[in-house]
Amino acid sequence: DTEVTQTPKHLVMGMTNKKSLKCEQHMGHRAMYWYKQKAKKPPELMFVYSYEKLSINESVPSRFSPECPNSSLLNLHLHALQPEDSALYLCASSQDPQIYEQYFGPGTRLTVT
Amino acid sequence: AQTVTQSQPEMSVQEAETVTLSCTYDTSESDYYLFWYKQPPSRQMILVIRQEAYKQQNATENRFSVNFQKAAKSFSLKISDSQLGDAAMYFCAHKILRAGKSTFGDGTTLTVKP
Repeated sequence: DTEVTQTPKHLVMGMTNKKSLKCEQHMGHRAMYWYKQKAKKPPELMFVYSYEKLSINESVPSRFSPECPNSSLLNLHLHALQPEDSALYLCASSQDPQIYEQYFGPGTRLTVT
Repeated sequence: AQTVTQSQPEMSVQEAETVTLSCTYDTSESDYYLFWYKQPPSRQMILVIRQEAYKQQNATENRFSVNFQKAAKSFSLKISDSQLGDAAMYFCAHKILRAGKSTFGDGTTLTVKP
């Protein structure tokens, strides 16, 4: 199984809502990532979890809150988002945080109204 | 800081022809990996090919091959016998071994003409 799954595929939320994005992998990978991607742009790294601990936070606003309940799951909790936060949110995993390529999920298309 | 430059925002190729996408990078590290990722429209990003910096031999995956010039810090992707399914945005990425993250280029949008 070389798949990273993400739910939901699409999400529309108001600026006062609280929602969560979910990501799951069963490849035994020990690093998991959240990226934000705008149209026709490269993915921008948000967070990295290494062995279930937050290792990198790219100065992401606190309205985004990551959580790694176990080695297979990664959540991104959203609260009080702004319209400019509308984007494709990608989850990825890699066998090891230091080396190897990343496997990407299909993403969640988020629209903030 | 690491930088990755893809100087071709858009490229096009005729079906069955060969196309080369360019990528240059800047790093002071000696141990790193280079990747090409493919992201078709509204579809998942997937790895195309990987190159370890310590390997002199250029990586090859079926119709995809790279020209890795370490001294010049160049890492181009050659796609042979282009197919309609190759149409996508291609990202070049660089990852140093002690870092937990990759640096991506801005991408090249490849169009394949039938």
